[in-house]
Amino acid sequence: SQQGEEDPQALSIQEGENATMNCSYKTSINNLQWYRQNSGRGLVHLILIRSNEREKHSGRLRVTLDTSKKSSSLLITASRAADTASYFCAPAYYGNNRLAFGKGNQVVVIP
Amino acid sequence: ETGVTQSPTHLIKTRGQQVTLRCSSQSGHNTVSWYQQALGQGPQFIFQYYREEENGRGNFPPRFSGLQFPNYSSELNVNALELDDSALYLCASSSQRGLQETQYFGPGTRLLVL
Repeated sequence: SQQGEEDPQALSIQEGENATMNCSYKTSINNLQWYRQNSGRGLVHLILIRSNEREKHSGRLRVTLDTSKKSSSLLITASRAADTASYFCAPAYYGNNRLAFGKGNQVVVIP
Repeated sequence: ETGVTQSPTHLIKTRGQQVTLRCSSQSGHNTVSWYQQALGQGPQFIFQYYREEENGRGNFPPRFSGLQFPNYSSELNVNALELDDSALYLCASSSQRGLQETQYFGPGTRLLVL
């Protein structure tokens, strides 16, 4: 089944550093949504980027989308310990009504 | 806080039993989707409801069924529970059918089947 593939799977960084996660997908998308999950709790929506957009910002978060490479990236700048979580990308494929989650990126920010 | 609520928060059942999980969508949202998340995995789509009708289903057996009510809240029913049904069940609401807009997730119901 089609789904987002996050890379790297696990990331450990020092507080204050930037964290970058990449996501690849398979076919044409309507949009791509990034979520955060803390310790198996509910998913928190971070950013939705549409197929005709190339970059979006929200606070310390920056998401890019390259439809020619079928990839997206999430950048967290000046990371904090509270950013420790799992991060998921979820492509919304055309003609589909399900978010195609990958296994997620486990990010640990060391104080 | 997304305004999406789920109940109960935790549940323990035994194999073969039936369970009903509930979801209240965010105010103004008419679409609810259900996902199952096994430990260490990403959420997997179960089905979506739009204005009380099923609007797509994932690769789950018929013992997974759902309802959406006129106030757009929703239920997920699972019959004949199996050990592999142990997971976090998430519902998400949105303001439009399909995936045009952001899906807002609730806190989830953690189900353990013994």
